[in-house]
Amino acid sequence: IAGITQAPTSQILAAGRRMTLRCTQDMRHNAMYWYRQDLGLGLRLIHYSNTAGTTGKGEVPDGYSVSRANTDDFPLTLASAVPSQTSVYFCASSLTSGGGNEQFFGPGTRLTVL
Amino acid sequence: GQNIDQPTEMTATEGAIVQINCTYQTSGFNGLFWYQQHAGEAPTFLSYNVLDGLEEKGRFSSFLSRSKGYSYLLLKELQMKDSASYLCAVRDGDYKLSFGAGTTVTVRA
Repeated sequence: IAGITQAPTSQILAAGRRMTLRCTQDMRHNAMYWYRQDLGLGLRLIHYSNTAGTTGKGEVPDGYSVSRANTDDFPLTLASAVPSQTSVYFCASSLTSGGGNEQFFGPGTRLTVL
Repeated sequence: GQNIDQPTEMTATEGAIVQINCTYQTSGFNGLFWYQQHAGEAPTFLSYNVLDGLEEKGRFSSFLSRSKGYSYLLLKELQMKDSASYLCAVRDGDYKLSFGAGTTVTVRA
C-alpha cells in the first residue's frame, strides 16, 4: 500500500441496507477524515479522528458512524442507507490536524442508494 | 456554519494568467489551503497560507489577507492540463477544514 486507499471503488445499494466504506493509510498519519462531495456543494466533513481511539462529528454526521481502533484504518458505516446519501465519499489523512500539514485524499468511493 | 465563496467557473487561454478569488467567514482561522481536483479524481494539495502575503510555488501563487477574509490563487502560463476544479479550504478555530464549492477552470487552446 502506498498512501491512502479506499474500498469499494463504487457501490449500488438498496435503501435500508447497511454499508461500510473502508479507508486505510500507511503514512502513519495521526488524523483522518471522511468527506462527501456533491455537485455544487463541495466537500463536506462527515466525521474526523485526530488520533487513534478518538472521533468527532463534522458538518453532516447524521446517518453515519465511524471508529478508529488503530492508526491505519478509519471505516465509515451507513447504518440504514437512504437515497440522500448518494454521493462520492473521500477519505483523507494528515500528519496532524494542525500546522501546515495538508490532507492527502484517497481515490474516493462512488455510492448510489436506490 | 462556515461561509466560503469562490466563482463557479472561469475560462482562459493557454499561456495566459488566471486569478481565482476566495472570500471566507469562519469561526476562527488556522490557515487556508488550495487544492486542485481533476474530473473524477481526488483533490491534491497546491498551497497553504497562514500569514498575510504571497506564497509562490512555480507557476502557482497564493495570496492571503486575513483582515479582509480574502485569498486568491494565481495560475500563470496556463497549460491544458491545468483544466480542473480548484478548491479553497479554510481551517477554522477547531482545526476543521471547510471547503468552498470549487471553481472549474477551463483552458482553451
